[in-house]
Amino acid sequence: KAGVTQTPRYLIKTRGQQVTLSCSPISGHRSVSWYQQTPGQGLQFLFEYFSETQRNKGNFPGRFSGRQFSNSRSEMNVSTLELGDSALYLCASRGAAWGDEQYFGPGTRLTVT
Amino acid sequence: QQQVKQSPQSLIVQKGGISIINCAYENTAFDYFPWYQQFPGKGPALLIAIRPDVSEKKEGRFTISFNKSAKQFSLHIMDSQPGDSATYFCAANRGFFGAGTILRVKS
Repeated sequence: KAGVTQTPRYLIKTRGQQVTLSCSPISGHRSVSWYQQTPGQGLQFLFEYFSETQRNKGNFPGRFSGRQFSNSRSEMNVSTLELGDSALYLCASRGAAWGDEQYFGPGTRLTVT
Repeated sequence: QQQVKQSPQSLIVQKGGISIINCAYENTAFDYFPWYQQFPGKGPALLIAIRPDVSEKKEGRFTISFNKSAKQFSLHIMDSQPGDSATYFCAANRGFFGAGTILRVKS
């Protein structure tokens, strides 16, 4: 089975721009979660989508948004980029049951200049 | 408020030694405690997980010890190998992560 894939792997944007990151979950997985990883704050939960609906949301400003498509693929959008948004953005997918494990993708490294 | 506290920040262990990483949590509603291993340039990978109705779980060289009353859990890596050198994260309920421990195993 193919793992979680994320595109692009690396991205450089300028402050004030917006960015869209993409995540393709493992086949059959309906839950997709997004995380931000930085040296200072560690791994922080952004949001989780299940069957195209946002199920949980972390403590991030409204500039961070996401969506999930009917094929379970997910996108994350950050508008009005700030220098502090520079981070590794990780996507994870898992099955429908609460006990199902989640599997992370390799991440998208976003640099905001 | 940090929901999961992890220590130490970094750890150096000799090959063949035991690596021990500790975590503590606040919210008694947490009911799932996974540990992840992350290598540079990769996403975290699930190592082992435990639920609060079990005090210990072992998978190969990796053991989780869980103390529900103290709200603490720890990862023990027996016979540590250079290939175990990575960053380890504890978590609670998938959404709350510890700050991470950088483990280096010296050969």
